[in-house]
Amino acid sequence: SQQGEEDPQALSIQEGENATMNCSYKTSINNLQWYRQNSGRGLVHLILIRSNEREKHSGRLRVTLDTSKKSSSLLITASRAADTASYFCATNIQGAQKLVFGQGTRLTINP
Amino acid sequence: GAGVSQSPRYKVTKRGQDVALRCDPISGHVSLYWYRQALGQGPEFLTYFNYEAQQDKSGLPNDRFSAERPEGSISTLTIQRTEQRDSAMYRCASSLPRLAGVYNEQFFGPGTRLTVL
Repeated sequence: SQQGEEDPQALSIQEGENATMNCSYKTSINNLQWYRQNSGRGLVHLILIRSNEREKHSGRLRVTLDTSKKSSSLLITASRAADTASYFCATNIQGAQKLVFGQGTRLTINP
Repeated sequence: GAGVSQSPRYKVTKRGQDVALRCDPISGHVSLYWYRQALGQGPEFLTYFNYEAQQDKSGLPNDRFSAERPEGSISTLTIQRTEQRDSAMYRCASSLPRLAGVYNEQFFGPGTRLTVL
């Protein structure tokens, strides 16, 4: 069963704009990880944020985590055509080493 | 260094045949995971190992699915008597071990696309 739910399911923006994707989950977590999947390619790890962290940055990526609301957001600034992909959040729930993935957000960057 | 590798990348088989999917984790990663991903969905957990010990196989859908990692490195996921519903992308991931309650990033391989005719 899926724990996470991404919102929106699909997002289409113009190149240069910022893209924000949200993830909600149901149970207490150890950490939350974001992945990118390009069409026909593998899952690329983007960033991990631990349950005791509230915000994390990596290049043009900014991730926030609100454990009281059981939600996270991924912000991609100054989007590029190469950012077109599906983005998944995945949680390490407490006491379990496996990852539980959401359904993903399909992001399209229009030139 | 080299990432997670999987073979074969593509496998087409006939219903009722057995298949074996291989995963070679990142060197030094003692934890190895198998996931299955249907088209348009996120990956779903199947099983994982710490070293050679299978720690959790709760995601294996039925007893036709099994996995092993006899020497704590390469792992094989075997599906016996394949059915059309087994068609999916099978992904392997590896990570450093959990220490003091801290879990680490899981790095995924390219996957094996299994098609059962």
